[in-house]
Amino acid sequence: AQKITQTQPGMFVQEKEAVTLDCTYDTSDPSYGLFWYKQPSSGEMIFLIYQGSYDQQNATEGRYSLNFQKARKSANLVISASQLGDSAMYFCAMKGDGGNNRKLIWGLGTSLAVNP
Amino acid sequence: NAGVMQNPRHLVRRRGQEARLRCSPMKGHSHVYWYRQLPEEGLKFMVYLQKENIIDESGMPKERFSAEFPKEGPSILRIQQVVRGDSAAYFCASSPVGGGVQETQYFGPGTRLLVL
Repeated sequence: AQKITQTQPGMFVQEKEAVTLDCTYDTSDPSYGLFWYKQPSSGEMIFLIYQGSYDQQNATEGRYSLNFQKARKSANLVISASQLGDSAMYFCAMKGDGGNNRKLIWGLGTSLAVNP
Repeated sequence: NAGVMQNPRHLVRRRGQEARLRCSPMKGHSHVYWYRQLPEEGLKFMVYLQKENIIDESGMPKERFSAEFPKEGPSILRIQQVVRGDSAAYFCASSPVGGGVQETQYFGPGTRLLVL
C-alpha cells in the first residue's frame, strides 16, 4: 500500500530564511510521482511542484525546490527566502502507476508559520 | 483561463437533507476527481470520472454518496440523507489527461459542508 508521512505538524521560520518540510513515502510501484501543494487559510489547494521517480535532477520552481532522495524514500520541500505569504499548510502527495495512477495519496500536512 | 470552479463554497444542511456539490473543470480538462478533507486531516480520494463515465469510485462510501459527470454541465457529487460525519471540505480537481504518474491535478477552492 502507498503511504505518505509528514512528521512535522508545525514549523516556524523567520522571514527571508530557508525552511525544509519533510516528506517520506512508501510504495512498491516502480514508477511514481511526488507532489507538493499549499493550502493557505483561505482553503484552496495550490499546486507547487512535481518530482518524478525517474527524474535525474531535483525539481525546482522559483523559490521552491525538492530534495529528492530516492534510496531514502524522501521528498522534502525546500522554500528559500521565506515570505509572510508562505504561512500555510503544506501537503505532500504521491501517485503510483498502474491502478494507483489516478488518485493522489496525501500526508497529514505541515503547518508553516513565517515570522516577521 | 479560468481555474477549477466549485459551488457552493459553503453549504449548510440539516441531518437527513441532500447535499449537491458542483464542479466545473478547467477549460480543456475532461478528467475530474473528488476528494474529501476531514478537519485536520489530509485529503482522501473519493472518485475519478471522465465525461459520462465513472472510472474509479474506490474511495466512495457505499451508501448515500454518488457522483456524475454528464456530457454537458458540471460534475456533481451528491450526498443523500446527510449525517454530521459528512461535515468536511470537498475538493474537486481536474486534469487534461487521466492517469499517468506525472499528470498534475489542479484543484478548485473546495466546498465546505456543515451538517447541523
